[in-house]
Amino acid sequence: SAVISQKPSRDICQRGTSLTIQCQVDSQVTMMFWYRQQPGQSLTLIATANQGSEATYESGFVIDKFPISRPNLTFSTLTVSNLSPEDSSIYLCSVTIMGTGELFFGEGSRLTVL
Amino acid sequence: DQQVKQNSPSLSVQEGRISILNCDYTNSMFDYFLWYKKYPAEGPTFLISISSIKDKNEDGRFTVFLNKSAKHLSLHIVPSQPGDSAVYFCTGNQFYFGTGTSLTVIP
Repeated sequence: SAVISQKPSRDICQRGTSLTIQCQVDSQVTMMFWYRQQPGQSLTLIATANQGSEATYESGFVIDKFPISRPNLTFSTLTVSNLSPEDSSIYLCSVTIMGTGELFFGEGSRLTVL
Repeated sequence: DQQVKQNSPSLSVQEGRISILNCDYTNSMFDYFLWYKKYPAEGPTFLISISSIKDKNEDGRFTVFLNKSAKHLSLHIVPSQPGDSAVYFCTGNQFYFGTGTSLTVIP
């Protein structure tokens, strides 16, 4: 298994600003994933973050809006840039253990944009 | 394109009775399916999975059934307990999540 810590757990931000979410894993993992859960919606994969390479973004998500860093095998950050109220969501970090297919999630970061 | 759908946003069940949560999918190439449980202010946690080559997988009180011809799977919880009250997500492979079903088990 993996234990994942996210910071902040929640934040309220002003329109036009940015928020950076941190994700720390208690073990080294190759791939880390960032998800968004908008109110009443399913979890949607934003991007896959591999250490030592650029993140791979899913359709509808771009690097300028959601820059991701992955400086080592236990840590990643997701920045949500130029915030608008539509960005109000829960953002979740997750990892997978090779061979299991199972995802382990952080507690999530609840963002409210005013 | 929503490849995994959970058409019931909520479900209420009496304690001790059976809870049945349903999930439909459109992508016949999914190799496996997983169910996650999510409590408020927590991330989802893995509950049970099933390979596409099986039609049933059981783990204690939890059983998942897969009907490939109907592209349908269901999670059965028997007997239901108040601690089972949570949002349940089904997924196709790792990444395609349904919208979730909020289960309330009434004591």
